Amino acid sequence: DGGITQSPKYLFRKEGQNVTLSCEQNLNHDAMYWYRQDPGQGLRLIYYSQIVNDFQKGDIAEGYSVSREKKESFPLTVTSAQKNPTAFYLCASSITAGTEAFFGQGTRLTVV
Amino acid sequence: KNQVEQSPQSLIILEGKNCTLQCNYTVSPFSNLRWYKQDTGRGPVSLTIMTFSENTKSNGRYTATLDADTKQSSLHITASQLSDSASYICVGPKGDGQNFVFGPGTRLSVLP
Repeated sequence: DGGITQSPKYLFRKEGQNVTLSCEQNLNHDAMYWYRQDPGQGLRLIYYSQIVNDFQKGDIAEGYSVSREKKESFPLTVTSAQKNPTAFYLCASSITAGTEAFFGQGTRLTVV
Repeated sequence: KNQVEQSPQSLIILEGKNCTLQCNYTVSPFSNLRWYKQDTGRGPVSLTIMTFSENTKSNGRYTATLDADTKQSSLHITASQLSDSASYICVGPKGDGQNFVFGPGTRLSVLP
C-alpha cells in the first residue's frame, strides 16, 4: 500500500553524535522535503529535492545534510553542528515541487 | 515576505458544537491555499485545497472559505466530534512555486 514512511518514530541522541533519519516513499513522487516542527511554530523547511541526485537548502539547513541517491529515499542526517536538534522532524513528498505534499508520520528526536 | 498567520492559537469547544478557524495570508503570487489536520505526534493530512477562483469548498463536516480580496481563509467545522481534536494548519505557496509557507496552526480540543 502506497505511502511515505519515516523511521524511527523516536530517536535519542547524545550530544556530539550524528544521527540519520530515514524517509522512504513508494508514491513515485519526484519531490521530497524535510521539515522541522517546534511547538508554537509553523513547519520550517530544512532541505528539499526536486529530482534524484539533486537537492537544495531550505530556510534552516545549517547543521543538517541530505542525500537523494534514489527516487524513493531522502535520508536526513542531523550533525553535531546542529546546536538545538531536539524537535519533531517531518518528511514529505509531492508529485512535483510545489504540488500537494503528503507527509510521513514524523520522527521525534531528543538529545540527551 | 510571504507569511501565513492563524487565529486563534488554541480553541476548546464541546462535542457537537461548531467552530471556525481563521487564516490570514500574504503569500504572493497567490495560487492556492491548503488546510491540513495534524493529530498529536503524527504527520499532517490534507483536508482541502482552495484555488483563487474558489470561495468555498466542503469536505464532509469541514468547509473552507476563501476571500482573495482580503487574503483571508476560514475553516468551519460542523457538529464537532472528539476525533476533531488536532492542530489545523493553513498552508500557502512560497513565491518560488516550489515550496510552501506554513502557518503556526490552531490547536483544537473537543471535550465530551
